[in-house]
Amino acid sequence: QVQLVESGGGVVQPGGSLILSCAGPGFAFSSYGMHWVRQAPGKGLEWVAFIRHDGSIKYYADSVKGRFTISRDNSRNTVYLQMNSLRGEETAVYYCAKDPVDYFRYFDLWGRGTLVTVSS
Amino acid sequence: EIVMTQSPATLSVSPGERATLSCRASQSVSSNLAWYQQKAGQAPRLLIYGASTRATGIPARFSGSGSGTEFTLTIGSLQSEDFAVYYCQQYSNWPLTFGGGTKVEIK
Repeated sequence: QVQLVESGGGVVQPGGSLILSCAGPGFAFSSYGMHWVRQAPGKGLEWVAFIRHDGSIKYYADSVKGRFTISRDNSRNTVYLQMNSLRGEETAVYYCAKDPVDYFRYFDLWGRGTLVTVSS
Repeated sequence: EIVMTQSPATLSVSPGERATLSCRASQSVSSNLAWYQQKAGQAPRLLIYGASTRATGIPARFSGSGSGTEFTLTIGSLQSEDFAVYYCQQYSNWPLTFGGGTKVEIK
């Protein structure tokens, strides 16, 4: 079954770090670009980061540049989001989302999300 | 950064009626515009890409139009399962940006 499954969310203190994972079984994971998108409680969607199918190109939202790192392990069909220096306003559900090809830059498959709570 | 503005913020519609949602870009995005539907407690779902192409499995009552800076999502005859929040997203330039959403609620 084609799906994306996020994990790694939880409660972290301001200034802390967390690593999110997203597994993509059921399709040719290594052929597709992957994104992270977040949604604060009761708010809209915010794109966070993108990685190309082979990891050769990465893009970040200005709000996370220098603090978040996207990476992937195609042998494990998994994409990661390393988040450092977390802030309270980054409390959100974090979704991973699949690009329809490699670099089309919209999202044709979403995971169910994992909740990150930044609080002391 | 391209700013996406959706209107109205909330749309009250009776089942069976037509709903028209608008999305405006702060600069031209050509046809690089997607629409998503999000129901409460669920992940978003792709409805439309390329401003007017329905994604796989999306009913024909959903249609998209527009190019440049002005876009419209029309739901031809609202069904109970269509009451949700709808987002537009431009993919012309980095960073990718979303509109603030339109909530379609039952009148």
